Amino acid sequence: DGGITQSPKYLFRKEGQNVTLSCEQNLNHDAMYWYRQDPGQGLRLIYYSQIVNDFQKGDIAEGYSVSREKKESFPLTVTSAQKNPTAFYLCASSTVTGYYGYTFGSGTRLTVV
Amino acid sequence: QQQVKQSPQSLIVQKGGISIINCAYENTAFDYFPWYQQFPGKGPALLIAIRPDVSEKKEGRFTISFNKSAKQFSLHIMDSQPGDSATYFCAAKDQAGTALIFGKGTTLSVSS
Repeated sequence: DGGITQSPKYLFRKEGQNVTLSCEQNLNHDAMYWYRQDPGQGLRLIYYSQIVNDFQKGDIAEGYSVSREKKESFPLTVTSAQKNPTAFYLCASSTVTGYYGYTFGSGTRLTVV
Repeated sequence: QQQVKQSPQSLIVQKGGISIINCAYENTAFDYFPWYQQFPGKGPALLIAIRPDVSEKKEGRFTISFNKSAKQFSLHIMDSQPGDSATYFCAAKDQAGTALIFGKGTTLSVSS
């Protein structure tokens, strides 16, 4: 079955550590996205990529980095520069226009301990 | 101008009732308006979407009403069921932007 796989489902990070969240899709979608979800804040765009080896910052990119070396993969690194990283992170993919809807993964819940 | 404002933040409806969630926008270049449904611990799933060339779209118990002049669109859930209890997000995008802009969400509880 086609879909998006995010891993791990739960992740714990110590202060000052970088962590990488995985996102893989087999939908043959060109575009991929990372959103952050906090209670009462909706979904806020971190980064997105429309093509391999290219990506753009979203509204809250500070403290995050991404890479797009393969069409199927769009990992997100939460760096130590992100001051409040505890959140639910969602990866999504779509056709390049986005007009046929996004397919979301099941999310990764990151907690700083 | 890039915001999508969603209301109410939470909603309690009795089983069999009508749930109504509203969204408003300012950017007249927006041309795609989807609604997503999210259950706890899961990613959002596309529920229904509309383009501005129509004023209403219905899929089963779910209807989007779109008012282009008022720059508002709403989701109506008819005959609401306990299984509809979830968080609902409206969103919008324009032709120039690939990324959807989401509202802050509405938590719907349908009481039995």
